Amino acid sequence: EVQLQQSGAELVKPGASVKLSCKTSGYTFSNYYMSWLKQMPGQNIEWIGNIYGGNGGTGYNQKFKGKATLTVDKSSSTAYMDLSSLTSEDSAVYFCARMGMTPFDYWGQGVMVTVSS
Amino acid sequence: DIQMTQSPSFLSASVGDRVTINCKASQNINKYLNWYQQKLGEAPKLLIYNTNNLQTGIPSRFSGSGSGTDYTLTISSLQPEDVATYFCLQHSSRPLTFGSGTKLEIK
Repeated sequence: EVQLQQSGAELVKPGASVKLSCKTSGYTFSNYYMSWLKQMPGQNIEWIGNIYGGNGGTGYNQKFKGKATLTVDKSSSTAYMDLSSLTSEDSAVYFCARMGMTPFDYWGQGVMVTVSS
Repeated sequence: DIQMTQSPSFLSASVGDRVTINCKASQNINKYLNWYQQKLGEAPKLLIYNTNNLQTGIPSRFSGSGSGTDYTLTISSLQPEDVATYFCLQHSSRPLTFGSGTKLEIK
């Protein structure tokens, strides 16, 4: 069974950074891309970018370049997303989702990031 | 970026009703259109991919159609467990973009 387990909720101060994780199981991590998405209340879900589990190759939504950095650890089948220089506009729920034969066939449970002093 | 205009934003229907939700792309997306269901407090779940392909395990009352710029999700007979928000996604070109969602409730 494919599973994507995300790390817990984060409360971070403005200007700080945060690293989110997405630990996978039930499939061959290195054969698939993983995407990250942002969901804010009342707004469209946004695709941040994706990363290939095999070699760490990335593709980003231009909007999130400089804000998000995607990495992987093949040894633990885990994907990571670093968010930097956080502001209130970064407060949201963030999901990891696998790019299978079609985008986002499996999702993590989501993690809420709150940026507040 | 391709803009996805989804309608209606809110829909109230009775159990057993036929329900349709629409997405219109700002340009031809060649049937690269997926539908997702998100229940309150949960992650979205893939329902339909590439316009009309039912994801494994999804009830057959869900179906999709469309081409070019116009796409439709249909629930043939609404069930209480279908209360959720539904989103479309175009994956024809990067960046991938979602519709704004349709919140479906039972009358």
